[in-house]
Amino acid sequence: TQLLEQSPQFLSIQEGENLTVYCNSSSVFSSLQWYRQEPGEGPVLLVTVVTGGEVKKLKRLTFQFGDARKDSSLHITAAQTGDTGLYLCAGAKGGKLIFGQGTELSVKP
Amino acid sequence: DTAVSQTPKYLVTQMGNDKSIKCEQNLGHDTMYWYKQDSKKFLKIMFSYNNKELIINETVPNRFSPKSPDKAHLNLHINSLELGDSAVYFCASSQDSVHSGANVLTFGAGSRLTVL
Repeated sequence: TQLLEQSPQFLSIQEGENLTVYCNSSSVFSSLQWYRQEPGEGPVLLVTVVTGGEVKKLKRLTFQFGDARKDSSLHITAAQTGDTGLYLCAGAKGGKLIFGQGTELSVKP
Repeated sequence: DTAVSQTPKYLVTQMGNDKSIKCEQNLGHDTMYWYKQDSKKFLKIMFSYNNKELIINETVPNRFSPKSPDKAHLNLHINSLELGDSAVYFCASSQDSVHSGANVLTFGAGSRLTVL
């Protein structure tokens, strides 16, 4: 059983569409992070959310931390082909950074 | 200047061999990690060192032995390689220790190990 469940695992959309990726857990986290990983590279941090209910925007990406600090979502508006990649959420638990299983996003032209 | 660099990027070897992956960070971070990413892209922590001291040791076969000669380097040695060891191994570092809760990780580009 994964501590952090991401959905969907795979997402293939057309350029210009909107999408939302979810990261859910039954555990409370002090903070959650979102990373993006491109093929042949390591994950790169996009954002950290700390406060329950917090919303952060990074250009066309909107990140939300659930009120109870157990879940988070990533919404992308008007997806571009450059958004293609593996999106990973991660939370600190027991002194370790635990990752979700990832969402593979493919944006087609 | 690469912040976290690991070598080699690709490693193809036979079962039973011993191999090492090296990692160096020039960020001045105190904590370094090894993660394993399997074929399903799941990232799982293996080890963590804080200032050359081992602080996280997950349930990893003892064929895997990390070594940190100084806080900027963390190497991974694997003995008697098995088919199931095939994966991408990522080195990472963070400014804070794992107990701080912040834990923003900077990753290397990964080392893809293929065991034949």
